[in-house]
Amino acid sequence: GQNIDQPTEMTATEGAIVQINCTYQTSGFNGLFWYQQHAGEAPTFLSYNVLDGLEEKGRFSSFLSRSKGYSYLLLKELQMKDSASYLCAGERQTGANNLFFGTGTRLTVIP
Amino acid sequence: EADIYQTPRYLVIGTGKKITLECSQTMGHDKMYWYQQDPGMELHLIHYSYGVNSTEKGDLSSESTVSRIRTEHFPLTLESARPSHTSQYLCASSESGALTGGEQFFGPGTRLTVL
Repeated sequence: GQNIDQPTEMTATEGAIVQINCTYQTSGFNGLFWYQQHAGEAPTFLSYNVLDGLEEKGRFSSFLSRSKGYSYLLLKELQMKDSASYLCAGERQTGANNLFFGTGTRLTVIP
Repeated sequence: EADIYQTPRYLVIGTGKKITLECSQTMGHDKMYWYQQDPGMELHLIHYSYGVNSTEKGDLSSESTVSRIRTEHFPLTLESARPSHTSQYLCASSESGALTGGEQFFGPGTRLTVL
């Protein structure tokens, strides 16, 4: 089966670092995506991991361990605008690259 | 910036009406998707398409239907709307030929309310 687990909510302070974890159980997948979704808006792409290890992109980094079924998104130097939901999504091994999403982690950045 | 559009953005309609949610993209993407998302909940895939004349059911059973007559256009239709159809509907597309890591670009969504 396919299941993705993320914490429902997190709070962090402006300027700090926060790590959002994602665990998954799946019978087969290509890689793992992270999307950001502000309230009432569409999701936007943040990162994609297909190999184990850390992918860094500016203030955001994403890590994947396929053997452990585990990923995390690391946000550095938090800004107020980073308050949003962060969606972990697995990519299925189908020709259409279908995604299955977790419920998302709602991050609130406080001053 | 992604060039994927959805209309209408908001729709309030009575039970039993037929509705069509429009989705268009100008990026030439072959793969397109429809998701349903309730507030605070995960996105559920309801339909997808590999390309023209291709339509497939997604993970979540839906009474809606889709068509793909042109590459850029992927409308979703509900023949008879019911209050249980109240939700946000998000359309997405991804690059042709990508075997993995095909980033999906999302439209702004249609928030449907059925009274």
